[in-house]
Order: sequence, then C-alpha cells, then structure tokens
Amino acid sequence: NAGVTQTPKFQVLKTGQSMTLQCAQDMNHNSMYWYRQDPGMGLRLIYYSASEGTTDKGEVPNGYNVSRLNKREFSLRLESAAPSQTSVYFCASSSIIAGANYEQYFGPGTRLTVT
Amino acid sequence: AQSVTQLDSQVPVFEEAPVELRCNYSSSVSVYLFWYVQYPNQGLQLLLKYLSGSTLVKGINGFEAEFNKSQTSFHLRKPSVHISDTAEYFCAVNTGGFKTIFGAGTRLFVKA
Repeated sequence: NAGVTQTPKFQVLKTGQSMTLQCAQDMNHNSMYWYRQDPGMGLRLIYYSASEGTTDKGEVPNGYNVSRLNKREFSLRLESAAPSQTSVYFCASSSIIAGANYEQYFGPGTRLTVT
Repeated sequence: AQSVTQLDSQVPVFEEAPVELRCNYSSSVSVYLFWYVQYPNQGLQLLLKYLSGSTLVKGINGFEAEFNKSQTSFHLRKPSVHISDTAEYFCAVNTGGFKTIFGAGTRLFVKA
C-alpha cells in the first residue's frame, strides 16, 4: 500500500517550457487535490477533483490545468512555466464520508524550479 | 470566508520542555479542525483532528489540542518535546466541503 505517489520528485524548467506532474493513490479515495506550498504561505489549493470525471478550480488555478485520468490518477499540467510557479507541489486524496471531508493524505511532493 | 492564523512562525524550545503552538480560525459555520506535521522534505501527515464531541483531542506522538469555540482557537500542545519533533506544523480548517484552508505554518525547533 503505497498511499499517494508523485512523480517526478524534482524538476527544473526554463520559462515557457511545459510539463506534467503525475499523482496516483491506491486508497480508493474519491477526491483528489493539487496544492502548492510557498514559504510563509502554507498550502494553497490549485485544483481539486471531487470524484472521477469532475474537476474544479481552487484558490490559485491560473497557469495550470488538470486531468482526472481515472479514480487513481490526477495530473497537473503547466503549459508555459513562469518563475512565479517555482514551488513545491503536493498531491493529496481523501474520502468524503456523509458529506464531510475528514482528512487528506499527502504525497511526498515535487520541487519545481522555473528559471 | 474561512481563515486560519497561526500566531507564531517559529517556536524554539529545549528538549523535554512543554510547547504550545497557537492557531486561531474564523468561520461563520461549524468547522472541522486539523493539525498536520511536515518533516523536512516530506509531505504532510495528520497529527490529530477535531470533528465533534470532546473538545480535547489526542493525536499521535503525544500531541493534543483543545477546541475552544468561544475563542475560535485550536492550540496544539505537547508536555515534553523530543528532538525528533522538529518539523513544521500546520493548522487547517474545513467546513464540510472540498476546500480545506491551511495556516501559514509554525516551525518548531527543538534544541538539545
């Protein structure tokens, strides 16, 4: 049982390049999330997927796209990377029980640097 | 709108001393409250959560937190810290939807 896995662990991009961050969970969770973590700002939600086939914007969606490929996988794409997207990106998953989002399980993160 | 304020960005403490990490939130509806811990170069993991019931919540690694509705606080405490508790701690609030709001984090440094 690996929990939530993310690839790659590290990435360096030049401004304008594109890339996709991959995330997979093996806990049969319905909901998945992408966050970015910046110093002094905690975690900010980029996009989430309440269930397979749905995606919604979070707090900071500009410059990103997502795909919920199936129940297990949720990818985040940067179409044209900018230095402001230098950050640590975390994927998370959770179950919704009786309408409540009780807790989230996080992957190990992807450290992205855009030069 | 919900918000979470962690009142200390850094807390240095000596090993075996007690510690309190402070968290205040604002919300006009009922909340679920969480504390997560992040060790260096790792993802976040759940320390404890308040969903309902007893206002004193016990978590892993000897941590506990108390929900105070009148003061809208959810402070994290440990009576005796270890070097291994050095990490960043995040308070978070959820009102039942898909969006959880995280505080900015408190870095706990435990010194020998």
